[in-house]
Amino acid sequence: AQSVTQLDSHVSVSEGTPVLLRCNYSSSYSPSLFWYVQHPNKGLQLLLKYTSAATLVKGINGFEAEFKKSETSFHLTKPSAHMSDAAEYFCVLRGGSYIPTFGRGTSLIVHP
Amino acid sequence: DAGVTQSPTHLIKTRGQHVTLRCSPISGHKSVSWYQQVLGQGPQFIFQYYEKEERGRGNFPDRFSARQFPNYSSELNVNALLLGDSALYLCASSHRGDTGELFFGEGSRLTVL
Repeated sequence: AQSVTQLDSHVSVSEGTPVLLRCNYSSSYSPSLFWYVQHPNKGLQLLLKYTSAATLVKGINGFEAEFKKSETSFHLTKPSAHMSDAAEYFCVLRGGSYIPTFGRGTSLIVHP
Repeated sequence: DAGVTQSPTHLIKTRGQHVTLRCSPISGHKSVSWYQQVLGQGPQFIFQYYEKEERGRGNFPDRFSARQFPNYSSELNVNALLLGDSALYLCASSHRGDTGELFFGEGSRLTVL
């Protein structure tokens, strides 16, 4: 069985400080992992993806994630938060099944 | 190129009614999946269609059904609506059914009164 665990339901940062959103996964197959962002009442937008190429993945809007097989993690980072980054973030796993596996989501709050 | 399009964007129904939601995938994508997102929660998987066949079904009652047409567009049908069916319904398309990124539409906001 596959699973995705987003370790924090809420993360609060000040504008200009680093962002860390944590995601751990479990999969019997070589996983493809994705981070999506969702702004209120909108669909999900892809931030970045890992598909067995480089383990350090760069995405849009300055976000990065590092795939660590030994730690079964795929944490999302950004060096400096912006007010516009405030949104819901989802870690998603695909591979080995037609059913994608979603994390529960992490709400990023950015204070001025 | 057009992204995933969903219609209608908003709709209001009353309990017991039926609703049909529509989704057009990105051109060339053969897989469509449907999700229910209740306010404050993450998307819950409902159905996955690939090459016009159902490939996956989530834990939803038989009131929920879907199909995929020869042009790969899809419909989600919900019968005998309940208040708890009020949600944002998201459609996503992808090249393949079991891997690769999902491209999401903006969703259909259903309110059941």
